Amino acid sequence: DTAVSQTPKYLVTQMGNDKSIKCEQNLGHDTMYWYKQDSKKFLKIMFSYNNKELIINETVPNRFSPKSPDKAHLNLHINSLELGDSAVYFCASSLRVGGQPQHFGDGTRLSIL
Amino acid sequence: GDSVTQMEGPVTLSEEAFLTINCTYTATGYPSLFWYVQYPGEGLQLLLKATKADDKGSNKGFEATYRKETTSFHLEKGSVQVSDSAVYFCALSDQGGADGLTFGKGTHLIIQP
Repeated sequence: DTAVSQTPKYLVTQMGNDKSIKCEQNLGHDTMYWYKQDSKKFLKIMFSYNNKELIINETVPNRFSPKSPDKAHLNLHINSLELGDSAVYFCASSLRVGGQPQHFGDGTRLSIL
Repeated sequence: GDSVTQMEGPVTLSEEAFLTINCTYTATGYPSLFWYVQYPGEGLQLLLKATKADDKGSNKGFEATYRKETTSFHLEKGSVQVSDSAVYFCALSDQGGADGLTFGKGTHLIIQP
């Protein structure tokens, strides 16, 4: 069974569109994260939720809106996509805030045309 | 703020060579330190960790020692294999992990037969 699963794996879309990436974890963890990996492989945290509540919100444009309907899901919605949003987005989870290890999904490669 | 600096690749070695990937950090508190590995097309996996000074993390023949005096956590392996080819990320977790993981820029390791 996949522990942290994200869909879709690949997403190709036009500038200006709105898109969502879904993430689900079946580990029973309380904390979930979104990371962005740019073309140079640099990974940076975007958001963190603990038990459906936002605990980390880095300086991310407000076009990015995470939503956590329950503690097993953390979806990422992006409005008005821009060329600079092209990246690989990773979802992760941990047992609790600061818990290690963090378990990562396989990533969603977003390409903006 | 916290930061992690690691040698940038790609690092190309022959099979059975000795590997060192340097990692140094700056942090305000007493961080936990990690090495994550990303195989092609996959998400990140925790390779090893150390939570306090002088701790040695080890896994799959890889080792790293938490050196507080030099603020370093260098990754080593005595004899690399082609299957070790991947991107390796040094990371830290500070403030009890409330700020998520801070990653280095990753080192792409290529092992040639």
